[in-house]
Amino acid sequence: DTGVSQNPRHKITKRGQNVTFRCDPISEHNRLYWYRQTLGQGPEFLTYFQNEAQLEKSRLLSDRFSAERPKGSFSTLEIQRTEQGDSAMYLCASSFISGGRDTEAFFGQGTRLTVV
Amino acid sequence: QKEVEQNSGPLSVPEGAIASLNCTYSDRVSQSFFWYRQYSGKSPELIMSIYSNGDKEDGRFTAQLNKASQYVSLLIRDSQPSDSATYLCAVNRADSSYKLIFGSGTRLLVRP
Repeated sequence: DTGVSQNPRHKITKRGQNVTFRCDPISEHNRLYWYRQTLGQGPEFLTYFQNEAQLEKSRLLSDRFSAERPKGSFSTLEIQRTEQGDSAMYLCASSFISGGRDTEAFFGQGTRLTVV
Repeated sequence: QKEVEQNSGPLSVPEGAIASLNCTYSDRVSQSFFWYRQYSGKSPELIMSIYSNGDKEDGRFTAQLNKASQYVSLLIRDSQPSDSATYLCAVNRADSSYKLIFGSGTRLLVRP
């Protein structure tokens, strides 16, 4: 296992189209995070999972965004009816939580979305 | 008030100097603290974690935590031009419910 893997690395889509991104976490990690990052800003929390359960979704996230982690392994992030404001880097990170303590989170390479 | 605050910089230091990066956080329950380095166009890379008050050293990096002041810092000794990047501070409560929250990052420029 070489780390967190995200696909695709780049995605250009027309406004109004739907897009889906995939994240494969480090295999033994039970926690998975999705973040969005725009130029000059830190990663903005979108949602996270512990195993297959989605624990929290950011209030800033519109209903056009949905994420799943069906078997507690890989996760997908779907954006419906994309808008130009959705253009950003979408980052996935994973970590392991045990005994109430979260360990270090590691990021994938990110998916850069451009909506034209 | 942002949950995690950092000065955006840029912080400019000469090669060989010590770079000092600072971060404050608002939630007193925060118990896990991380520093990430991010090069332009790349994803964040973990460089340090700290969980207890005091200093933690790893090579040229030292993380310092003061929970009473809600303050965490990163010192980079013998700064190199390759250290030029954005440094992100992240905090997490050490329980099962809290998410990892990032500051906006401090851009560091090491001048040759």
